[in-house]
Amino acid sequence: QSALTQPRSVSGSPGQSVTISCTGTSSDVGGYNSVSWYQQHPAKAPKLMIYDVSKRPSGVPDRFSGSKSGNTASLTISGLQAEDEADYYCCSYAGTYTVVFGGGTKLTVL
Amino acid sequence: QVQLVQSGAEVKKPGASVKVSCKASGYTFTSYYINWVRQAPGQGLEWMGWISAYNGKTKYVQKFQGRVTMTTDTATRTAYMELRSLESDDTAVYYCARVKEIAKEGWFDPWGQGTLVTVSS
Repeated sequence: QSALTQPRSVSGSPGQSVTISCTGTSSDVGGYNSVSWYQQHPAKAPKLMIYDVSKRPSGVPDRFSGSKSGNTASLTISGLQAEDEADYYCCSYAGTYTVVFGGGTKLTVL
Repeated sequence: QVQLVQSGAEVKKPGASVKVSCKASGYTFTSYYINWVRQAPGQGLEWMGWISAYNGKTKYVQKFQGRVTMTTDTATRTAYMELRSLESDDTAVYYCARVKEIAKEGWFDPWGQGTLVTVSS
């Protein structure tokens, strides 16, 4: 299957909100409520930020929220902070016990 | 706490094989799947497949079929990923990650710290 489509980069100033999109097809994002988002700082392992489209694991600030409409999932980060600067990846269940990742989005906090 | 600890960096020649380990702690090993994900330098995440720690059943991405083998040792709570016939394009950081059930609770949490595999002549 093809990778999910994410913007290569997004940016925002401290305190602002940014939204990262993740576009797939009806065979992955649109077909299942199994989208997750990961934050990755340089030279670090990815960290789970959102699962099941909009659920937050304990310890993840409520500034992070997820949603989905049709074949596109979104991650919104409100009240941007310097430590939010990282790469973000979406991931979706794609049927037959497989998953697919997005290409990743670099978030720059200006 | 739940933790996955991977083996150290490897340098291999083209055509060789590499076996990366992932030792689990802090949870019931056989109740989860271990997935393997790799990341080439400066690139995104690429899912390779999974193994059930309960029964050893595997699912591999087609591009790795015939070249990858995922196994587990329940006695030592360790998962392994072996990749054969290495090429320079296989140079990447390889991560293991825990998943409860790929189709219903299919999120990756936690991840191992990653193992850098460098393929160079």
